[in-house]
Amino acid sequence: DAGVTQSPTHLIKTRGQQVTLRCSPKSGHDTVSWYQQALGQGPQFIFQYYEEEERQRGNFPDRFSGHQFPNYSSELNVNALLLGDSALYLCASSGGTEGVTSGYTFGSGTRLTVV
Amino acid sequence: AQSVTQPDIHITVSEGASLELRCNYSYGATPYLFWYVQSPGQGLQLLLKYFSGDTLVQGIKGFEAEFKRSQSSFNLRKPSVHWSDAAEYFCAVGRIIQGAQKLVFGQGTRLTINP
Repeated sequence: DAGVTQSPTHLIKTRGQQVTLRCSPKSGHDTVSWYQQALGQGPQFIFQYYEEEERQRGNFPDRFSGHQFPNYSSELNVNALLLGDSALYLCASSGGTEGVTSGYTFGSGTRLTVV
Repeated sequence: AQSVTQPDIHITVSEGASLELRCNYSYGATPYLFWYVQSPGQGLQLLLKYFSGDTLVQGIKGFEAEFKRSQSSFNLRKPSVHWSDAAEYFCAVGRIIQGAQKLVFGQGTRLTINP
């Protein structure tokens, strides 16, 4: 049973460019959350998608946007990249409202480096 | 706003010694509490969780944690550490906001094991 799959694993972009990160949730999960983990920090909540809609958003600018597809997979898009966007981006999936009580399943992340 | 504090950024213990990682949270209601472990370059793996019932919870890999409401703490313990326990450990509080769930993480504690 595949867990959460994220692609690509590593990415190098130039400041000002745009990037798209992808996530396939664990089988049976319909909710996807994205987190940003800067070096030496804990993950920070970006947003959550359920039924193809953004359900909640953290303290991130509009340069960060996302999408969820009918098969529950999700994309995270970041426009006008800044050096400070360099981080590990983690995708977490859960079933409906179970995430907070059962814990999430995290992917291994995408390491984004902005130069 | 809720917050999670892990007072120890880095802890070093000898293999076979006991371990306690501290976590304090700030949250008005009964929290959902989690401990995650992250190996270098990897995503997060759930060690254990608490949201009701017995305040001493058992997790995977021989870890346990105790919820103390009076101290707003959820410390992680292990009686005898193994070299493979070297990793970053994150405490997190789960919240449900407007139907969406999110995790608020502490800064993390890096655990080094001396042979």
